[in-house]
Amino acid sequence: GAVVSQHPSRVICKSGTSVKIECRSLDFQATTMFWYRQFPKQSLMLMATSNEGSKATYEQGVEKDKFLINHASLTLSTLTVTSAHPEDSSFYICSASVINTGELFFGEGSRLTVL
Amino acid sequence: RKEVEQDPGPFNVPEGATVAFNCTYSNSASQSFFWYRQDCRKEPKLLMSVYSSGNEDGRFTAQLNRASQYISLLIRDSKLSDSATYLCVVNINAGNMLTFGGGTRLMVKP
Repeated sequence: GAVVSQHPSRVICKSGTSVKIECRSLDFQATTMFWYRQFPKQSLMLMATSNEGSKATYEQGVEKDKFLINHASLTLSTLTVTSAHPEDSSFYICSASVINTGELFFGEGSRLTVL
Repeated sequence: RKEVEQDPGPFNVPEGATVAFNCTYSNSASQSFFWYRQDCRKEPKLLMSVYSSGNEDGRFTAQLNRASQYISLLIRDSKLSDSATYLCVVNINAGNMLTFGGGTRLMVKP
């Protein structure tokens, strides 16, 4: 079946640094990718919708200058957490929507810890 | 009111038991409904879609009640491996924008 790869799966960084997370659709093209955040014992919260070749659409309350999203190709979207703070520590998950079918597949998630 | 609501649980049941979860949604225009399973510290995986006529997949049965705006998931003959968080997911429009419920945690004990 379709596979979405997310990298890195785990990252620890110092406060104030920036972290980039990649989301790749390995065997299909995805015009739309979604980025979610999940805090412990809570559900997934949609952060933004990433469309290939255009600006991402951010959900209310999500700072677009802090969470930079780039969707440069039909198989790759990146999320950059800029000037990370401890409160940004969370589980970040991407999902990709298959062209034509709209079927959705999730990446394995990236666990970010900001010290 | 949240768009998609679930009882967080946990539901503690013995092996072999039957357990049911409900999920309510607020937007009557919601079009598609799913149950996802999420294991601790892992990404959610699609368990089953929920169709208007109800559908069954092995020990799992999903039902949709549009009039009352809820969906349900029934698990029969629970296994230890069923222990996970079950997420109710609703697609409110046709753009693959999924809204997740808070999840219901199930713990199946020997």
